[in-house]
Amino acid sequence: AQSVTQPDIHITVSEGASLELRCNYSYGATPYLFWYVQSPGQGLQLLLKYFSGDTLVQGIKGFEAEFKRSQSSFNLRKPSVHWSDAAEYFCAVPGSGNTGKLIFGQGTTLQVKP
Amino acid sequence: DTAVSQTPKYLVTQMGNDKSIKCEQNLGHDTMYWYKQDSKKFLKIMFSYNNKELIINETVPNRFSPKSPDKAHLNLHINSLELGDSAVYFCASSLGGQRGVETQYFGPGTRLLVL
Repeated sequence: AQSVTQPDIHITVSEGASLELRCNYSYGATPYLFWYVQSPGQGLQLLLKYFSGDTLVQGIKGFEAEFKRSQSSFNLRKPSVHWSDAAEYFCAVPGSGNTGKLIFGQGTTLQVKP
Repeated sequence: DTAVSQTPKYLVTQMGNDKSIKCEQNLGHDTMYWYKQDSKKFLKIMFSYNNKELIINETVPNRFSPKSPDKAHLNLHINSLELGDSAVYFCASSLGGQRGVETQYFGPGTRLLVL
């Protein structure tokens, strides 16, 4: 069965520092992978998604993610974090069938220090 | 204009009551979803509808009943509320053509507290 694991529950980085959030997946075939962000008190917004092709995917707000099949990973990165990036980040994979069901990881809370 | 809107934003109620949460999307999407986010921020899908037809019904207690009067609206009615129903409920929508890979657009959430 498809599943997603985000090993880091909480990460704190200084403003201007680089960021990497980890995501490991379990998926039967070629995976589709998503990263969503949830700002405080808000709904989720798609940052980026991977379907096929180039393994380095660019997203909004300066984020990128790299698909590594050999490591079953889809880590999210940003070279320089801004205070407004403080949020909850979710990695997700689709469930089986074309239902639109998303299976989310546990989420990583990002705190940004001034 | 808000793409996916939910009402109310906050809902505080007593155990045993019946309540409804409404969701509307103005994106012209065919598919709509309800998710539950628990106190540990874990997100799990509950239901989804495509053009008023139920396509996902996860193992949710039958006290929860979704209703889609048209493809732009998906409401969630909860009977006999229990303490464990306290959570944030998110509505979302997507185009509906390739649901497995589509971007889902989320509403701001309804924070339900059952006392």
